[in-house]
Amino acid sequence: GAGVSQTPSNKVTEKGKYVELRCDPISGHTALYWYRQSLGQGPEFLIYFQGTGAADDSGLPNDRFFAVRPEGSVSTLKIQRTERGDSAVYLCASSLTSAANTGELFFGEGSRLTVL
Amino acid sequence: DQQVKQNSPSLSVQEGRISILNCDYTNSMFDYFLWYKKYPAEGPTFLISISSIKDKNEDGRFTVFLNKSAKHLSLHIVPSQPGDSAVYFCAASANSGGGADGLTFGKGTHLIIQP
Repeated sequence: GAGVSQTPSNKVTEKGKYVELRCDPISGHTALYWYRQSLGQGPEFLIYFQGTGAADDSGLPNDRFFAVRPEGSVSTLKIQRTERGDSAVYLCASSLTSAANTGELFFGEGSRLTVL
Repeated sequence: DQQVKQNSPSLSVQEGRISILNCDYTNSMFDYFLWYKKYPAEGPTFLISISSIKDKNEDGRFTVFLNKSAKHLSLHIVPSQPGDSAVYFCAASANSGGGADGLTFGKGTHLIIQP
């Protein structure tokens, strides 16, 4: 497809388990972002990739969260030892240039994570 | 500490009338502002943007106004249509060299267009 693709669309897991969320950006987009949206809140920035490297990971809440983008395209957000407070919709977005260069972001539909 | 604030969680407007959505920000480093629209179970989609060097940007039925001295922006939709019913997010970014490189979003305003 032409848009940002995220899998799985829904994930239910138990507290303490490990979770991986995948994002396939728009072809040719070098910038990739992960956001988290909790109920009643706006999207909250987690991490930004320019190519293969994490240019800014200041939004990751703690060391249980990690993201990779090994070939500069698909990215995986990894959450270790999940907690109930991690329950949210995880949004991925891509862009031709970084948001700081006034490039608007194209979002996927999100992965809804529920930690029981 | 919310740097982008949308103080109205919801707004109801009659079809055909003007919808005005408001947004305030606190970070003076922000120099680019965007509005995103979100339908249920979908990701946000870009609607319109404005650079801090401008005070108005218009695109069809949508106009964004920026008042830098008041750190306030607004989105005007006229005339409002039923398909405009959605959650609208205000977002801001700072020029590289300040803060995180991502967009900072408000909590959103749920716009409901009444037939």
